[in-house]
Amino acid sequence: NAGVMQNPRHLVRRRGQEARLRCSPMKGHSHVYWYRQLPEEGLKFMVYLQKENIIDESGMPKERFSAEFPKEGPSILRIQQVVRGDSAAYFCASSPSTGSLQETQYFGPGTRLLVL
Amino acid sequence: TQLLEQSPQFLSIQEGENLTVYCNSSSVFSSLQWYRQEPGEGPVLLVTVVTGGEVKKLKRLTFQFGDARKDSSLHITAAQPGDTGLYLCAGTGANSKLTFGKGITLSVRP
Repeated sequence: NAGVMQNPRHLVRRRGQEARLRCSPMKGHSHVYWYRQLPEEGLKFMVYLQKENIIDESGMPKERFSAEFPKEGPSILRIQQVVRGDSAAYFCASSPSTGSLQETQYFGPGTRLLVL
Repeated sequence: TQLLEQSPQFLSIQEGENLTVYCNSSSVFSSLQWYRQEPGEGPVLLVTVVTGGEVKKLKRLTFQFGDARKDSSLHITAAQPGDTGLYLCAGTGANSKLTFGKGITLSVRP
């Protein structure tokens, strides 16, 4: 059973470019979460999605950031017009839809974004 | 805002020693998870605790959830160099989103 997959593992962008980060949840998981980890800081919640729905985006910056989880395909975290402060590790996690382990989230290896 | 404080922030011990680290909050969480993170990798789940007072054992690791579901501890018996890493606790809040502590960096010297 493959774990949560994220790609690319490393992404370099120049200021003003767009960054697209992809996440495929574990098989059988329909809940996806995105977190950001800045240097010397803990992981911070960004957004919670289910298939075709954004459930909670309270941690997303108001501008330039968007996320989707389409009916088919991976979840995408999109950052437009990147700035140096967007440099961070972005982690995706998934959880089962039901059951006693519903609240347990399993993390992918992350995408390290570097903005030059 | 729910906050989780982890202590100590850094810990360096000799192989074979025992240690206990803590995760404290003023908020109640429906569940609490411990993860270990290696450099350049994502957090790997160690355990989920749900019931107040619950104790779970994972080989040499013992996890306890406080009676009031606000705090947790991790005890490692006879630490080994392979235990070296960043230990993160995370509480589950509204909409299942996790609130993370900043982590405890553990170094076990051979």
